[in-house]
Amino acid sequence: AQRVTQPEKLLSVFKGAPVELKCNYSYSGSPELFWYVQYSRHRLQLLLRHISRESIKGFTADLNKGETSFHLKKPFAQEEDSAMYYCALRRSGGYQKVTFGTGTKLQVIP
Amino acid sequence: ETGVTQSPTHLIKTRGQQVTLRCSSQSGHNTVSWYQQALGQGPQFIFQYYREEENGRGNFPPRFSGLQFPNYSSELNVNALELDDSALYLCASSPHSGAQFSYNEQFFGPGTRLTVL
Repeated sequence: AQRVTQPEKLLSVFKGAPVELKCNYSYSGSPELFWYVQYSRHRLQLLLRHISRESIKGFTADLNKGETSFHLKKPFAQEEDSAMYYCALRRSGGYQKVTFGTGTKLQVIP
Repeated sequence: ETGVTQSPTHLIKTRGQQVTLRCSSQSGHNTVSWYQQALGQGPQFIFQYYREEENGRGNFPPRFSGLQFPNYSSELNVNALELDDSALYLCASSPHSGAQFSYNEQFFGPGTRLTVL
């Protein structure tokens, strides 16, 4: 079974401080990992995926297979980063089923 | 190009009733997935439709069923509603997702808020 754990329901940081949203996963095979974001009154949307190895809006995430983690990081938080963040997993080579974590609300304090 | 739309926005049903939720895919997208998001939880995969056939299902009972039409729009039907079915139901469309080995970004609709009394 595949499972995604986001241990923090709420993370509050000051503007300009570093951000790290934690995500751990459980899956016996080779997964694809994603971060989705939902801004207030907006739809859920893809932020980044580990395969792309890209930085989006200053956010990066590295897949650590040894620790089964995919933490989302940003060196300097901005007020517009305040949103709900979901870590998600898909079985590599499988169909489009995506397993989501419970989400972490990021609150950036001005 | 229009995004994913869902109807209705919200509705209230009573236990034991049946409900149909509708989703229009983003233009050019031929795959639709449905998710249930309970309060305080992440979205849970219900099933996916590609070319009018179900090609993946999560841990939901048979009373959750769906349809996809030739224009790629989709319906989610839930029979014998239970109180625990109260949730936000999300539809997500993606392009060319019939291929098993590639992931194409899913574009989500705004959701339908279902309340079961």
